[in-house]
Amino acid sequence: QVKLQQSGAELVKPGASVKLSCKTSGYTFSTSYMSWFKQIPGQSIEWIGMIYAGDGGTGYNQKFKGKATLTVDTSSSTAYMDLSSLTTEDSAVYFCARLYEGLSFDYWGQGVMVTVSS
Amino acid sequence: DIVMTQGALPNPVPSGESVSITCRSSKSLLYSDGKTYLNWYLQRPGQSPQLLIYWMSTRASGVSDRFSGSGSGTDFTLKISGVEAEDVGVYYCQQGLEFPLTFGSGTKLEIK
Repeated sequence: QVKLQQSGAELVKPGASVKLSCKTSGYTFSTSYMSWFKQIPGQSIEWIGMIYAGDGGTGYNQKFKGKATLTVDTSSSTAYMDLSSLTTEDSAVYFCARLYEGLSFDYWGQGVMVTVSS
Repeated sequence: DIVMTQGALPNPVPSGESVSITCRSSKSLLYSDGKTYLNWYLQRPGQSPQLLIYWMSTRASGVSDRFSGSGSGTDFTLKISGVEAEDVGVYYCQQGLEFPLTFGSGTKLEIK
C-alpha cells in the first residue's frame, strides 16, 4: 500500500534552516510528482510547490520562492523540502502529498510540526 | 491567484441529516478538455487531508457514495447524504486549474 512517512517534529531558532523528509513506499516514486503544503494550526492549507521525481524539475508558489527548496532522492524514494531563514511566521505543520488526477492529491504524509522559536 | 470562497454550515448538524457545502471560485475551473478542476478534501481533527472528490464530481477510491460533488464552472457543492459521526472535520475545496494551486478557507462540520 502507498505510504508517505514524514520526519519528526522540529524546533529551530530564527534564522536557521531545516530539512524535512517524506519517505515513500508502495508505488513507483521515480515517475511521480510530489507537492508540499503549509498549514498553520486552525487555518487553511497553502500549496508550496511541486517536484517531478523523474528529473527533479520543480515549480513553486511565488510566495515561497527563496523560502523552500524541493529535492528528491530516487534511490531511497524520498522527497525533501529545505526551509531557509526561518522566522516565527514559518511555524506550521508541513505536509507532503502525491499528485493525482485533476491536480488533486490522493496520499498525504502525516504532517510535521515546525516550531521556530528562540 | 484564483480565490476559493467557502460557505459555512449551521452547526451542529443532526446525525442522519443531509448537508451541502458550497465553494465558489474567482475564475471558471472548466478547462478545454471538458473537465472541471475542482477537488474536495476532508481533514478530520488531528489528521492529514483526505481526498474525497476530484474533477468536481468523481469520487476518490474508497470514498462512501454518501459524498457527491456537483457544480458549474465557478459554483460548486459537496453534498453529504446522511451525516455520520465519522464525517466530523473541516472540508476544503481546492482548484487544480492554475498554479499556484489554492484552497478555500474550509467549512467545519460538527454533528449532534
